[in-house]
Amino acid sequence: DAGVIQSPRHEVTEMGQEVTLRCKPISGHNSLFWYRQTMMRGLELLIYFNNNVPIDDSGMPEDRFSAKMPNASFSTLKIQPSEPRDSAVYFCASSSRTDEKLFFGSGTQLSVL
Amino acid sequence: QKEVEQNSGPLSVPEGAIASLNCTYSDRVSQSFFWYRQYSGKSPELIMSIYSNGDKEDGRFTAQLNKASQYVSLLIRDSQPSDSATYLCAVRGNQGGKLIFGQGTELSVKP
Repeated sequence: DAGVIQSPRHEVTEMGQEVTLRCKPISGHNSLFWYRQTMMRGLELLIYFNNNVPIDDSGMPEDRFSAKMPNASFSTLKIQPSEPRDSAVYFCASSSRTDEKLFFGSGTQLSVL
Repeated sequence: QKEVEQNSGPLSVPEGAIASLNCTYSDRVSQSFFWYRQYSGKSPELIMSIYSNGDKEDGRFTAQLNKASQYVSLLIRDSQPSDSATYLCAVRGNQGGKLIFGQGTELSVKP
């Protein structure tokens, strides 16, 4: 299996621009998680889905952030408009119902100038 | 109070020594506990999971869980320089629920 696939690996954008991060979970996994990691705040859960349905989005910082999972093999995290404080590494992770282990993608390094 | 707390370190141990990493959590109904290792610039990878009180051993790693004290620990025996990384404690409540991570403890193993 290819593991959790995220794109892009790096994203540099200017303040005010829209940013879209993409994730393909491991085939057969029914849970998908979006995390953000910074030095100051560590690894923060933004939102997670079970069976494509958002279960808990309490970690989404504000209305500028939105996430979708239109099918079992694809999810997006969108930031519009982006701000410099959104600069971080964004990780996507997935797990299966029968095995709670979380598998992480390689992450997207986002820099908002 | 943070949901999952760890000492940020850095924790420095000599090669061959035992490294002890600690974690406390606030939610008493937490059911699943995990230790992840993260090398600089890489994504977290699972090294241990534990669900019941007591010890669980896997090679040089031992996870310890005490639900009454809301305490989880990870022992690394015969520490190697390749163990130098940040170790993240993670806690999950109900099955399928969200996984909350601690801030991580940076471990440095000196040759």
